[in-house]
Amino acid sequence: EPEVTQTPSHQVTQMGQEVILRCVPISNHLYFYWYRQILGQKVEFLVSFYNNEISEKSEIFDDQFSVERPDGSNFTLKIRSTKLEDSAMYFCASSEGPRTSGETYEQYFGPGTRLTVT
Amino acid sequence: QQQVKQSPQSLIVQKGGISIINCAYENTAFDYFPWYQQFPGKGPALLIAIRPDVSEKKEGRFTISFNKSAKQFSLHIMDSQPGDSATYFCAAHPTGKLIFGQGTTLQVKP
Repeated sequence: EPEVTQTPSHQVTQMGQEVILRCVPISNHLYFYWYRQILGQKVEFLVSFYNNEISEKSEIFDDQFSVERPDGSNFTLKIRSTKLEDSAMYFCASSEGPRTSGETYEQYFGPGTRLTVT
Repeated sequence: QQQVKQSPQSLIVQKGGISIINCAYENTAFDYFPWYQQFPGKGPALLIAIRPDVSEKKEGRFTISFNKSAKQFSLHIMDSQPGDSATYFCAAHPTGKLIFGQGTTLQVKP
């Protein structure tokens, strides 16, 4: 069964450093998402991406964050200058289609990257 | 309001019992409510979902009950099994993004 993969599984970085989290969505999916989960808290939406541009972003997704689809298979989340509060589990997800009033396509989640900022 | 509130935070049930997790929302524009199941070390996976024009949806041992007037919905796991031990998230899916509840950690004791 196709699945979303993420690398690395755990990333430790120092405050102020840049990190890139990588995701390989399911191959025929066109919509891509990043979510994060701070330990003990709920899963929060960061950004959605379609057709090489951001479709929607949350208040969390400020100028320190960026997303890119550098090739036909990878989808990345970059945090330019990490802060302690960026420590969280980051989940990538993908879906075949969009959420419209008539259609709902399941979002498939990867296993996550645990980011620890020291 | 873009929130979904979920309770309880944790739940312990004996094997064979019924597990019940409750969620509430405020935004009447929400029109699709999925439940996700997450095992340790894995990402959330869609379990079952419902639209507000239906009061109940059943898939195997999992049932969603929906009360549109109260803006509440719940997940019932019948005949709970140790393999059901996981974290469960309710969500609303109004646009591309999912809005998750806080999560419920379920432990089913053998």
